[in-house]
Amino acid sequence: QQKVQQSPESLSVPEGGMASLNCTSSDRNFQYFWWYRQHSGEGPKALMSIFSDGDKKEGRFTAHLNKASLHVSLHIRDSQPSDSALYFCAATGNSNNRIFFGDGTQLVVKP
Amino acid sequence: EAAVTQSPRSKVAVTGGKVTLSCHQTNNHDYMYWYRQDTGHGLRLIHYSYVADSTEKGDIPDGYKASRPSQENFSLILELASLSQTAVYFCASRGTGGGERLFFGHGTKLSVL
Repeated sequence: QQKVQQSPESLSVPEGGMASLNCTSSDRNFQYFWWYRQHSGEGPKALMSIFSDGDKKEGRFTAHLNKASLHVSLHIRDSQPSDSALYFCAATGNSNNRIFFGDGTQLVVKP
Repeated sequence: EAAVTQSPRSKVAVTGGKVTLSCHQTNNHDYMYWYRQDTGHGLRLIHYSYVADSTEKGDIPDGYKASRPSQENFSLILELASLSQTAVYFCASRGTGGGERLFFGHGTKLSVL
């Protein structure tokens, strides 16, 4: 079973709309969660991290973590066409050199 | 910004040939990783290393070897390239500590014909 699962696989929102991406992990040892964004033709880049329960806001982006349910989400407010990209959720634990990625959510923001 | 440089940016190889993909980081990071990405899909871990002269197998190591001769350099070697190894390969590095982010290179697009 894959340790990190993302939904939906793809998402289309209108410009100015709200995009919501979800991630569920199956390992209670995971302590650190990251969202990565990959634009077409580029390598993934770290977008934001969340390590504690609750919300973390950075500009138009808000991440939410619920460790009890092993659920992480990313919400993009006022979505822009430049936000169109492949978004990955990633998780790791304290004693683990490995970083586990979900399969990604392809976001398309339509002008 | 931490830097990870991959070479070449793209390569065409023949089936059965040997391919070496190189990665160099100037971040002073201990951990380095090789991932494979097939078109429009996720990242799959091939090999990783947390110290020079040592490598570990990831989730899909078959058909690949890795070499970490120094902290800065990490290579991926395909001894006998196959059609199924056509993909984009990403190298990444990160510091120690569970919360450290990964820094990725631009990727190497490999086409095996």
